Amino acid sequence: ILNVEQSPQSLHVQEGDSTNFTCSFPSSNFYALHWYRWETAKSPEALFVMTLNGDEKKKGRISATLNTKEGYSYLYIKGSQPEDSATYLCAFIYNSGGYQKVTFGTGTKLQVIP
Amino acid sequence: DSGVTQTPKHLITATGQRVTLRCSPRSGDLSVYWYQQSLDQGLQFLIQYYNGEERAKGNILERFSAQQFPDLHSELNLSSLELGDSALYFCASSVGPGAGTEAFFGQGTRLTVV
Repeated sequence: ILNVEQSPQSLHVQEGDSTNFTCSFPSSNFYALHWYRWETAKSPEALFVMTLNGDEKKKGRISATLNTKEGYSYLYIKGSQPEDSATYLCAFIYNSGGYQKVTFGTGTKLQVIP
Repeated sequence: DSGVTQTPKHLITATGQRVTLRCSPRSGDLSVYWYQQSLDQGLQFLIQYYNGEERAKGNILERFSAQQFPDLHSELNLSSLELGDSALYFCASSVGPGAGTEAFFGQGTRLTVV
């Protein structure tokens, strides 16, 4: 079982603060990295699909970068809002025996305080 | 609404029983993924089908099986149920066979084994 770590586990920020968190994954057999936003009582919602080393993706105030050689991805939220409160999950997709497999990180739980 | 439909939403059954969870992917999506989220664990990838064929297998128990039908809906069969199988089971779908495309999650089926 591959280890995908997310840090920090949880985070409280004030409304308007910018924040970032990390997803660390093995640097071998990389296929893709997904970021998901998961609000309580809802289903995960895809934020980004990242496939190339050096990828940078942006959606509104949220952006992500990818470094496959060193095995990490950063997710940034600029000017956090209360509606950003959620758990942010990364999913590491890797090649194994001719198939792709998925391992999720345990998530970073973000609470934005108004 | 992601366009992925899972039924039933809730299921309560006794140990030793067998249940079937159903997933209808988004229109046009050929890949279906099944995930399990237990109380004490994050999302665990179970299995993926693409256009009717098994594509990838994760941590799926031998008591569990799945299939994807010609109309692309998928069913996850759980048999000889144990208390520890109580979890939220998510289905997700994506367009392509690989994980380089965005996956859309259903609302989940909450299974309670008593």
